[in-house]
Amino acid sequence: DAGVIQSPRHEVTEMGQEVTLRCKPISGHNSLFWYRQTMMRGLELLIYFNNNVPIDDSGMPEDRFSAKMPNASFSTLKIQPSEPRDSAVYFCASSLEGEAGGEQYFGPGTRLTVT
Amino acid sequence: QQQVKQSPQSLIVQKGGISIINCAYENTAFDYFPWYQQFPGKGPALLIAIRPDVSEKKEGRFTISFNKSAKQFSLHIMDSQPGDSATYFCAASTLYNFNKFYFGSGTKLNVKP
Repeated sequence: DAGVIQSPRHEVTEMGQEVTLRCKPISGHNSLFWYRQTMMRGLELLIYFNNNVPIDDSGMPEDRFSAKMPNASFSTLKIQPSEPRDSAVYFCASSLEGEAGGEQYFGPGTRLTVT
Repeated sequence: QQQVKQSPQSLIVQKGGISIINCAYENTAFDYFPWYQQFPGKGPALLIAIRPDVSEKKEGRFTISFNKSAKQFSLHIMDSQPGDSATYFCAASTLYNFNKFYFGSGTKLNVKP
């Protein structure tokens, strides 16, 4: 049974370039989350969707970040233009709202390095 | 400001010992307290969770102790094993925004053989 799938697993890009991270949630899950993890700030929620609709994007750091969920099986997180301070591991997670416990299932992450 | 404060930042325990990680919060609206375990190169995974209507929950060697009046909760790992070496995160969410987790800063546990 496939878990949350993220691509790419590693991304190295130069400052100013556009970066697109992709996520495929677990089939049947109706909530999707994007997190960023750094040593300095820990694990931060950037945005989450419920039934493909963005519910809370208060964690999105600035206008350079945008996220979309065009359908139940795909989401993207885009950074344009990228900056060195965006270097982090970005996790996508999904859950089934209403399920007892509300467990969020995390993907393996995308390690982004902006030089 | 961090909604959930976690300590210690790192912990070294001998095999067979007890690992204790503590978390504290201020928001009395928090209603759900999960602990996540993360191995290097992997995403976090749910380990155990508790609601404030109970003071303790045990699953195998892992126990959450919850003190509602003190607004503190802790993870105890009994008979710690080298395979438990990982980073542990506590988290909290509210009843009215169940999906939004506030994570602690993490504790890196190293269990020495």
